[in-house]
Amino acid sequence: TQLLEQSPQFLSIQEGENLTVYCNSSSVFSSLQWYRQEPGEGPVLLVTVVTGGEVKKLKRLTFQFGDARKDSSLHITAAQTGDTGLYLCAGVENNYGQNFVFGPGTRLSVLP
Amino acid sequence: DSGVTQTPKHLITATGQRVTLRCSPRSGDLSVYWYQQSLDQGLQFLIQYYNGEERAKGNILERFSAQQFPDLHSELNLSSLELGDSALYFCASSALKSGTAYGYTFGSGTRLTVV
Repeated sequence: TQLLEQSPQFLSIQEGENLTVYCNSSSVFSSLQWYRQEPGEGPVLLVTVVTGGEVKKLKRLTFQFGDARKDSSLHITAAQTGDTGLYLCAGVENNYGQNFVFGPGTRLSVLP
Repeated sequence: DSGVTQTPKHLITATGQRVTLRCSPRSGDLSVYWYQQSLDQGLQFLIQYYNGEERAKGNILERFSAQQFPDLHSELNLSSLELGDSALYFCASSALKSGTAYGYTFGSGTRLTVV
């Protein structure tokens, strides 16, 4: 059974700082997704990465998929208070997987 | 509004009782997924339906069951409730048989409290 680990578990930073959170596994994923979840709401999809080494940018967010497709990172530049939330990575092991396995998440707090 | 509708938003019930959670997927989506989220377990996959048929099963207890109806809405039935069943229950939908390509669209969840 694939297992996703995320680090750090908690992160508290000041507005304007940069940060990187990580998602790691011993399994190879055919694709991996990042979601952000705010209190009282469901997770919202940020990005899907499918190719090893792929880098995707979404405004101040940069997502990277590891060359071996076992890990991923999310970098946020000049964090804003609106970035506060739980960041979840989710991956499926092969193209026939029916569901994603979610990591435990990184809880980010951006302080004004 | 994500387009996935879950009702009710909150539910408080006693141990031993049975409840039904309802989900209407985003228009055009054929797959419905149910997840349980608790503080210590994170998001746990329970079950998936695609166009009315069960497609995948995760860590779903025997006391729990689900179905997807012809109009594609889905219901999750939880019976013989225990304190440990208290959690957020999310429904998600996707257009395809798997969420591999386009991901899931989640509803806002039902917060179940068993007392």
